[in-house]
Amino acid sequence: GIQVEQSPPDLILQEGANSTLRCNFSDSVNNLQWFHQNPWGQLINLFYIPSGTKQNGRLSATTVATERYSLLYISSSQTTDSGVYFCAVDGRGGSEKLVFGKGTKLTVNP
Amino acid sequence: DAGVIQSPRHEVTEMGQEVTLRCKPISGHDYLFWYRQTMMRGLELLIYFNNNVPIDDSGMPEDRFSAKMPNASFSTLKIQPSEPRDSAVYFCASSLWSSGYTFGSGTRLTVV
Repeated sequence: GIQVEQSPPDLILQEGANSTLRCNFSDSVNNLQWFHQNPWGQLINLFYIPSGTKQNGRLSATTVATERYSLLYISSSQTTDSGVYFCAVDGRGGSEKLVFGKGTKLTVNP
Repeated sequence: DAGVIQSPRHEVTEMGQEVTLRCKPISGHDYLFWYRQTMMRGLELLIYFNNNVPIDDSGMPEDRFSAKMPNASFSTLKIQPSEPRDSAVYFCASSLWSSGYTFGSGTRLTVV
């Protein structure tokens, strides 16, 4: 099946810093989503982004489908950004079923 | 909309007992997913439904697990009999085709 690799596995920032999280995937995809799992365990959908670029406030994401990677940018980080960021993709065939990466654990210190 | 609603939030049960987890998806969503999250294995898809029909249950661990979706607004995941290795957080999610998932708050299951 499709492989999803996220980097870095862990990231520690000071409040106000910017960061870039990366997601590599091993096959073509029709569906790619970014999620944030907060320290209380809630999973929040950030972006549905199989290709192109989207922005939502301090967060933006870019997916280059032909090169099989996606990037999540966090600008002016805040302590509330802490948590685990997951990238998830479908496999070839356009299934709605998503395969999740292992995540990037982000800690933002005040 | 109230989002995806899961119940109970926490469940502690003894080994061998039956456990039923419940999910109410977002109205109008045509896909429903059950995922399990553990430290060792991360987020794993157990089963998903499209228009109340099970499409892929290849992630269901074994016959002790079963899932139903009797109508568009309700789904259950049942474990019978439960075992300590079933301890995990179970998430339900729903979506429309080619849109993002919305997850419920999860059910933390502890089997002792």
